[in-house]
Amino acid sequence: GAGVSQSPSNKVTEKGKDVELRCDPISGHTALYWYRQSLGQGLEFLIYFQGNSAPDKSGLPSDRFSAERTGGSVSTLTIQRTQQEDSAVYLCASSYLGLADITDTQYFGPGTRLTVL
Amino acid sequence: AQTVTQSQPEMSVQEAETVTLSCTYDTSESDYYLFWYKQPPSRQMILVIRQEAYKQQNATENRFSVNFQKAAKSFSLKISDSQLGDAAMYFCAYRRWNNNDMRFGAGTRLTVKP
Repeated sequence: GAGVSQSPSNKVTEKGKDVELRCDPISGHTALYWYRQSLGQGLEFLIYFQGNSAPDKSGLPSDRFSAERTGGSVSTLTIQRTQQEDSAVYLCASSYLGLADITDTQYFGPGTRLTVL
Repeated sequence: AQTVTQSQPEMSVQEAETVTLSCTYDTSESDYYLFWYKQPPSRQMILVIRQEAYKQQNATENRFSVNFQKAAKSFSLKISDSQLGDAAMYFCAYRRWNNNDMRFGAGTRLTVKP
């Protein structure tokens, strides 16, 4: 079956513009995660969706960042008024249950490389 | 706060030989999970191996094994019989048992020499 897909693969934008990044999780997966990977760094947790529950937004770095998940499937991460420090690879992952259980493996997409000029 | 440290930014290994990647973490929790992920140039993160903190036995997946030292808060990855396809960034990650927020180290870039 298809894995997690993300679009676009690469995005170049000008400082101050808004961008939308899309994530299509694996069909049937109830949990969806967004991470940010800055150059030379590990992954930084941004936000987590589980079913119809309120999302865990504790990792969002500022109020310029927001995300939504429509119909419990596709998710969009929006960054408003982009800044140069927002340049990074944005990775999405999904998992089947989203439970605090080791068998709940997160499957990652290929990421979107965002460059803010 | 939980932090994960990978002290080796880069490592290299000769094909068919063994290499060990280091990872230490800081936590006050007793129940948690540890992971090693591989990220090839395609950017897709792939789970290599995982370990439950309550298990004393070290996890093994084919050529990949870990040395989990809970008291020392150390979780190293050993790759045996290294192959060219093992070349990638390797990330160590920590997750509390009741929390979906995974903490990643900064990564180790592994080069495999033919």
